[in-house]
Amino acid sequence: NAGVTQTPKFRVLKTGQSMTLLCAQDMNHEYMYWYRQDPGMGLRLIHYSVGEGTTAKGEVPDGYNVSRLKKQNFLLGLESAAPSQTSVYFCASRVYRDKNTEAFFGQGTRLTVV
Amino acid sequence: QQPVQSPQAVILREGEDAVINCSSSKALYSVHWYRQKHGEAPVFLMILLKGGEQKGHEKISASFNEKKQQSSLYLTASQLSYSGTYFCGTDTGTASKLTFGTGTRLQVTL
Repeated sequence: NAGVTQTPKFRVLKTGQSMTLLCAQDMNHEYMYWYRQDPGMGLRLIHYSVGEGTTAKGEVPDGYNVSRLKKQNFLLGLESAAPSQTSVYFCASRVYRDKNTEAFFGQGTRLTVV
Repeated sequence: QQPVQSPQAVILREGEDAVINCSSSKALYSVHWYRQKHGEAPVFLMILLKGGEQKGHEKISASFNEKKQQSSLYLTASQLSYSGTYFCGTDTGTASKLTFGTGTRLQVTL
């Protein structure tokens, strides 16, 4: 099993450009999450999903949109990138089972906005 | 709102012990602990559930005080391989939103 796969691993964008980060999991997990990691800020939740077709805002959702059209995929979109969105983005997933299950993380996407 | 971790950073000599604390302002259903090595993804260590017992394996264990919404991670007789950043993740049980703290950077030296 591949687990959680993020695409791309690295990307440089110019201010105002748009892009989509793809997260794919092959574990049939219901829950999926997008986090951003910045020095000293830890992992901050951007958006999450508890199932196909559903999404919800996390702590820092502004400037991002998400979609979960298929259970295995969770897409994170930046419509107009800003330098403040330079960060490392992690996707995670976990299975629904009494809500006491661990999260599995992808390897991260390092995004630089210039 | 992110849980608060303390300390922010700690340096240990090999063989020493450390405690990392995690505190939330919300009632918690469960607390997760993860370790992240530089340039890598966070890796799961353990989960503590509301009403559950203290968990651990070998020299890493944790406790969960649900009344105080606090958890502590205990690292005993630290090894070089314990170096990394430790994150607590909290689940309030509402829609399984999983929120992480700001992290504790642990460095173990010879």
